[in-house]
Amino acid sequence: EAQVTQNPRYLITVTGKKLTVTCSQNMNHEYMSWYRQDPGLGLRQIYYSMNVEVTDKGDVPEGYKVSRKEKRNFPLILESPSPNQTSLYFCASSFSGGNTEAFFGQGTRLTVV
Amino acid sequence: GENVEQHPSTLSVQEGDSAVIKCTYSDSASNYFPWYKQELGKGPQLIIDIRSNVGEKKDQRIAVTLNKTAKHFSLHITETQPEDSAVYFCAASKNTGKLIFGQGTTLQVKP
Repeated sequence: EAQVTQNPRYLITVTGKKLTVTCSQNMNHEYMSWYRQDPGLGLRQIYYSMNVEVTDKGDVPEGYKVSRKEKRNFPLILESPSPNQTSLYFCASSFSGGNTEAFFGQGTRLTVV
Repeated sequence: GENVEQHPSTLSVQEGDSAVIKCTYSDSASNYFPWYKQELGKGPQLIIDIRSNVGEKKDQRIAVTLNKTAKHFSLHITETQPEDSAVYFCAASKNTGKLIFGQGTTLQVKP
């Protein structure tokens, strides 16, 4: 089954404690991205990757890092989480960027206290 | 910068009625306009999309229209059913660029 898998689904952490949210896709897609969803703001892109070892900032990259060492994996790293990073996060993959169907993971609900 | 505005933010209709959600985009070079449906506790899922060389597209009870001159596009759902209740997002992109999403519309279909 074609899917994007994120882990964990829920996470509560404390300010400053480094965390990683994993994302994996099994569709051999080149393009992967991370979004955060906040009420009234829709989905905002954090980082994206057009291929292995190629990553770039989206609209709200501050406080986040990503890596793309393998085609299927695209982890999101919060080196020092802060309460304003409390949000719902989605990983997505697509065949070739914004003009093809994006497949989303189930989401990760992050709370930073 | 590129922007997509979506209205209304919430929409409540009676089962069987039609629902319309509207979006406007700022970048005239945008050429791909997908609509995503997000059910509770799940990630968004593509329900229909339209490209700039087409003015209208239908798929059973849903349709999308595009007015490139006015930079508007709309989602139309006819004969709404309770299972249509969800959050709907419009988006726009150009070529292989990133998707810019609207703010989302929470649709409630009352039985």
